Amino acid sequence: SQELEQSPQSLIVQEGKNLTINCTSSKTLYGLYWYKQKYGEGLIFLMMLQKGGEEKSHEKITAKLDEKKQQSSLHITASQPSHAGIYLCGADHAGNNRKLIWGLGTSLAVNP
Amino acid sequence: DAGITQSPRYKITETGRQVTLMCHQTWSHSYMFWYRQDLGHGLRLIYYSAAADITDKGEVPDGYVVSRSKTENFPLTLESATRSQTSVYFCASSLLAGATYEQYFGPGTRLTVT
Repeated sequence: SQELEQSPQSLIVQEGKNLTINCTSSKTLYGLYWYKQKYGEGLIFLMMLQKGGEEKSHEKITAKLDEKKQQSSLHITASQPSHAGIYLCGADHAGNNRKLIWGLGTSLAVNP
Repeated sequence: DAGITQSPRYKITETGRQVTLMCHQTWSHSYMFWYRQDLGHGLRLIYYSAAADITDKGEVPDGYVVSRSKTENFPLTLESATRSQTSVYFCASSLLAGATYEQYFGPGTRLTVT
């Protein structure tokens, strides 16, 4: 969707390296959701951000929402093969979590 | 088993046939959603439901019908399947609406229309 741009489209990193995935919205974000999808499977919820400047971490994954609430980044520290998959961001532009807009995803491969 | 399940996981059907995809959740979540995922388009919302007997259109509802007679079930019917409906379909549920409630996804149904 042009309303939500994800970059890069794909990423190949060496195990142990850090990486960042970006999600940019053309509208103000009431909520920004990060999900991970393994090939051929459903989406697994990672984190949700609401407030400008908010930052959340889970294990080696950190997500931030910028102050203007139009961009989010997902940072993985010391990547592992288990981090491989497709990372998707979903945007709530209406404040009700009913009609989320989704990015096209970032495909991540981690080489051992 | 607890969670959200979809059936069938794989389906091949012919153009013009009616096909129903099933979705069942055991959490008693109020909201349920149907998405389709296509290369180049990402996830797009087809329909959602706020409660039993309450449904609303999403971004791409044409050619699809939904119903929700029970809270735990949300079937999606393609009344006359077309090749453009070949896709991976995901069902999701969420406790309530509102930015603090994440959606939980099923494993998906891969549908091929020949």
